[in-house]
Amino acid sequence: QQQVRQSPQSLTVWEGETAILNCSYEDSTFDYFPWYHQFPGESPALLIAIRPVSNKKEDGRFTIFFNKREKKFSLHIADSQPGDSATYFCAASGPGNTGKLIFGLGTTLQVQP
Amino acid sequence: GPKVLQIPSHQIIDMGQMVTLNCDPVSNHLYFYWYKQILGQQMEFLVNFYNGKVMEKSKLFKDQFSVERPDGSYFTLKIQPTALEDSAVYFCASSFSNSDYTFGSGTRLLVI
Repeated sequence: QQQVRQSPQSLTVWEGETAILNCSYEDSTFDYFPWYHQFPGESPALLIAIRPVSNKKEDGRFTIFFNKREKKFSLHIADSQPGDSATYFCAASGPGNTGKLIFGLGTTLQVQP
Repeated sequence: GPKVLQIPSHQIIDMGQMVTLNCDPVSNHLYFYWYKQILGQQMEFLVNFYNGKVMEKSKLFKDQFSVERPDGSYFTLKIQPTALEDSAVYFCASSFSNSDYTFGSGTRLLVI
């Protein structure tokens, strides 16, 4: 059973549009929700993260919206740039504070100039 | 920023042989992790390590896998013996607390 579900699998937007990537999770004890991006052949890099005490977190063009009741969170990339083209993974930390991250399957984002 | 270094970057090995993947974590980090990523798929947790001990391991962390960090040097993942299905990219990560990881650049392992 996939504990963290991510959609869409792939997404194409035009430069300047807002890209919206979605995730949902099963375990209500999860308490840390990061988004990573990964360029081909490179390691994943932390983009932005949120904890359930907040329902929104912004960092420049990147915003996480968090809905605890529905167990969903999304990443909005405003003013998308071709350099944002990458695979984006959402994740959630498992319960028990071990730091284990459970990743979604990823969204491949293509930003067309 | 600070980096996690992984050595080697690529490794080709015959099935049944032993392989050791090395990770040099960020110097003041206390938590260490290994993840496995098959091409085009998500990263899957293998194991985490803190204070000299395995904290948690997944069902992917088979009996043939072991981790250690002798005397604060490299954090290693050893696979003995290797199997074809072990072919993947293995990412090491470290963190100061149990969040906000820094990932290494990965070791691409091919078992033939």
